Amino acid sequence: GDSVTQMEGPVTLSEEAFLTINCTYTATGYPSLFWYVQYPGEGLQLLLKATKADDKGSNKGFEATYRKETTSFHLEKGSVQVSDSAVYFCALSAEGNTGKLIFGQGTTLQVKP
Amino acid sequence: NAGVTQTPKFRILKIGQSMTLQCTQDMNHNYMYWYRQDPGMGLKLIYYSVGAGITDKGEVPNGYNVSRSTTEDFPLRLELAAPSQTSVYFCASSLMSRAFFGQGTRLTVV
Repeated sequence: GDSVTQMEGPVTLSEEAFLTINCTYTATGYPSLFWYVQYPGEGLQLLLKATKADDKGSNKGFEATYRKETTSFHLEKGSVQVSDSAVYFCALSAEGNTGKLIFGQGTTLQVKP
Repeated sequence: NAGVTQTPKFRILKIGQSMTLQCTQDMNHNYMYWYRQDPGMGLKLIYYSVGAGITDKGEVPNGYNVSRSTTEDFPLRLELAAPSQTSVYFCASSLMSRAFFGQGTRLTVV
């Protein structure tokens, strides 16, 4: 079945460091891909998305490119801030517009001043 | 704009007790979902609904029931609570594959 695999955490970085969180997926057809972020004590919020191959999603300095050839959707940011500390979830939606999401296990990011 | 509202935020249940987790959304979304989040794990889909009167099982439905009598409300029922149901529960609604989540209910079964 469809699945999402993320790199293990926690990831600990100093402020202004470069961030990469790896995400790969297994799915039939052409899924939509998402990154959600969860701040402490809150629900998940959509960070960015891409709906077809070679699309780049971007928001708040974060970027991810839909790579069908490598079935990947890695999250990157050039310079992280302490306020970026959160749990990041990669997800896919494999059933059109129903929004039914399959999540990776989440990666905790800790940014130190 | 309230979005997706879940109640309660926290609850402790004894084994065998029952309870209902409430979820309501004011965005007129047809699609609604219940997920559980266990430590170090991603979210697992319990049940979902594509519209009023229609519900379907997700990945981990055992021990739970749902109903969808209106577009706004999607309550989740635990009939006989078990320690394995200790988790954080998230309700979500969606439009065009974008999901909006509630703040979660932290449930402990002792």
